[in-house]
Amino acid sequence: AQTVTQSQPEMSVQEAETVTLSCTYDTSESDYYLFWYKQPPSRQMILVIRQEAYKQQNATENRFSVNFQKAAKSFSLKISDSQLGDAAMYFCAYPQGGSEKLVFGKGTKLTVNP
Amino acid sequence: GAGVSQSPSNKVTEKGKDVELRCDPISGHTALYWYRQSLGQGLEFLIYFQGNSAPDKSGLPSDRFSAERTGGSVSTLTIQRTQQEDSAVYLCASSLAQGRSSPLHFGNGTRLTVT
Repeated sequence: AQTVTQSQPEMSVQEAETVTLSCTYDTSESDYYLFWYKQPPSRQMILVIRQEAYKQQNATENRFSVNFQKAAKSFSLKISDSQLGDAAMYFCAYPQGGSEKLVFGKGTKLTVNP
Repeated sequence: GAGVSQSPSNKVTEKGKDVELRCDPISGHTALYWYRQSLGQGLEFLIYFQGNSAPDKSGLPSDRFSAERTGGSVSTLTIQRTQQEDSAVYLCASSLAQGRSSPLHFGNGTRLTVT
């Protein structure tokens, strides 16, 4: 079964510091997309960043960037200059092979300390 | 109507009752998904629609669960004879096109509590 693993149930970071959330996945495909979603207390899942496995360059969106290691099947999210509004659950996800459904990890709860 | 709308936001029901959860996707989005999120867990896929058809309903946990989509728009998830283990947040998402690169746009979810 194809799975997504987030090994850090909780993380904390000081405001303005940098934090990295880890994600590993298992797939036999060669081309696919990977996603990080953020879920604040409002419950709405919000797309943070997307990475195409075909591209070697790591995706970047403002303070958010990924460290994509295709051979290791690792897809970490780095948040720079952390802000109080970054506090949320973060989920890593990718589309299960041969289907349209996203498979999600169990999430990492990020706390940002002032 | 910018985003995905779900109603009700919260639903408390007695064990054994039927419930209907509604999802109104972003206009023009052809793909629609239902997920379930239990406390402290990730998202569990339930069903996927492309237009009005459901090519993948593999995640529905039992025959008490059903879903339909009409007019390529609004979707309803129905749970019959609710059980306490059905208590969870039910999330709906839509995307612009079929394709594994298309990001999902989520609603705020319906929190279902079965007493």
